[in-house]
Amino acid sequence: NAGVTQTPKFRVLKTGQSMTLLCAQDMNHEYMYWYRQDPGMGLRLIHYSVGEGTTAKGEVPDGYNVSRLKKQNFLLGLESAAPSQTSVYFCASSYQTGVETQYFGPGTRLLVL
Amino acid sequence: AQSVTQPDIHITVSEGASLELRCNYSYGATPYLFWYVQSPGQGLQLLLKYFSGDTLVQGIKGFEAEFKRSQSSFNLRKPSVHWSDAAEYFCAVGAGGNKLVFGAGTILRVKS
Repeated sequence: NAGVTQTPKFRVLKTGQSMTLLCAQDMNHEYMYWYRQDPGMGLRLIHYSVGEGTTAKGEVPDGYNVSRLKKQNFLLGLESAAPSQTSVYFCASSYQTGVETQYFGPGTRLLVL
Repeated sequence: AQSVTQPDIHITVSEGASLELRCNYSYGATPYLFWYVQSPGQGLQLLLKYFSGDTLVQGIKGFEAEFKRSQSSFNLRKPSVHWSDAAEYFCAVGAGGNKLVFGAGTILRVKS
C-alpha cells in the first residue's frame, strides 16, 4: 500500500495563478483532510470530507476550494494564488471520525511569488 | 473553543538523556489526545494516542505519554533519547466531529 500520496511535491506560483493539489489514498478511508502548516502555527485545517461527494470547511478555508469526486481522491484548488498561501500543505485520511488515527501524506511545498 | 498549547518551541537534549515535551489542552469534554512526530521533509507519523482508560499510554519508538485531567496535560516522555529522535513533535486534541486541533509544535534537537 502506498498510503497517502500527494502531487506535486513542490511548486512555485506567481500571484494570481491557479493550481490544484492532488491527494490520493489507497486505504479505503472515508474521511480526508487538507491542512496547511506554517512556522510556529502547527497544522490548521483548511477543508475536509466525510465521504465521496461531500466537503466541509475547516478553520482556514478562505481562498481554497476542494472536491471529492472519488472516494480515494481529494483535490485542493487555489483559484487565484496569493503570497499568504505560501505554505506546506498536508493531506490526511482516516477510517472514520477525527478521533481515529489520521494518516498523513508527505506534503506539498508551495511558494507563491 | 478547543486549543492546544505546547509551551516549548525548541528543546535541546543530549543523546542518552531523558526527554519530556509538554502539552496542555483546552477542551470541555473528555479529550481524545494524540502525539505526532514529523521528521524533516516528511509527513506526520502517529506516536501514540489516548482515548480512555489507563492514563499512561505507550507508543512507538519507546515514547510514552501521561494524561493528567487535573492539569489538562498530556506530556510526552522518553527515558533515553537517540539522535534519530531529532524532529518536530505535535500534540493534538480531537475537537469533536471530524477534526483535530494541533499545537504549534516543539522542535527537538539532540546533542551528541
